[in-house]
Amino acid sequence: QKEVEQNSGPLSVPEGAIASLNCTYSDRVSQSFFWYRQYSGKSPELIMSIYSNGDKEDGRFTAQLNKASQYVSLLIRDSQPSDSATYLCAVNGVNTGFQKLVFGTGTRLLVSP
Amino acid sequence: EPEVTQTPSHQVTQMGQEVILRCVPISNHLYFYWYRQILGQKVEFLVSFYNNEISEKSEIFDDQFSVERPDGSNFTLKIRSTKLEDSAMYFCASSDTPREYNEQFFGPGTRLTVL
Repeated sequence: QKEVEQNSGPLSVPEGAIASLNCTYSDRVSQSFFWYRQYSGKSPELIMSIYSNGDKEDGRFTAQLNKASQYVSLLIRDSQPSDSATYLCAVNGVNTGFQKLVFGTGTRLLVSP
Repeated sequence: EPEVTQTPSHQVTQMGQEVILRCVPISNHLYFYWYRQILGQKVEFLVSFYNNEISEKSEIFDDQFSVERPDGSNFTLKIRSTKLEDSAMYFCASSDTPREYNEQFFGPGTRLTVL
């Protein structure tokens, strides 16, 4: 079983729509959850972190965490063509001393004008 | 805004040669990491480093790899005898806390090509 699973996509949405990106993880003791954005050929850029069940909002981004279901999601409101990128879900936890981020393979998002 | 920097941006080497990838973490960060990403694959953890010693390493990080903080600003990854399968993007990251709120910030990466 993969540790962090994401649908590879592409997820295609029109400009102005809400993009919903999902991630599941297998390790129940995972503590912290991160969303990174990665443009083609570039490095991961941290956009959201979430540690508690529920929603966390930052501008157009909302992260949602449900530890019971081992599920974390990212909503992007008012999607822009510049949001077109691969979104990486990453988790860490006490089993690794919080040192190691375990990444999913990422979901490619395409926002069409 | 402070950022992690890496040099070189692209390194081409022959199989069996040694390479050193360099990183300057964010200045007040104390925890440093190396990750790699083979083309088309996911980002994989290699090693974490704190207080001048390795705190965790993955199975990828075998005897061919080593890390060092030679001075107060640089953090290096050495691959002693490169293999074709070492070709990848190598990312350095840093954070200011190892605990559960461990936000890691990534540098731009070094693309290593082994011929």
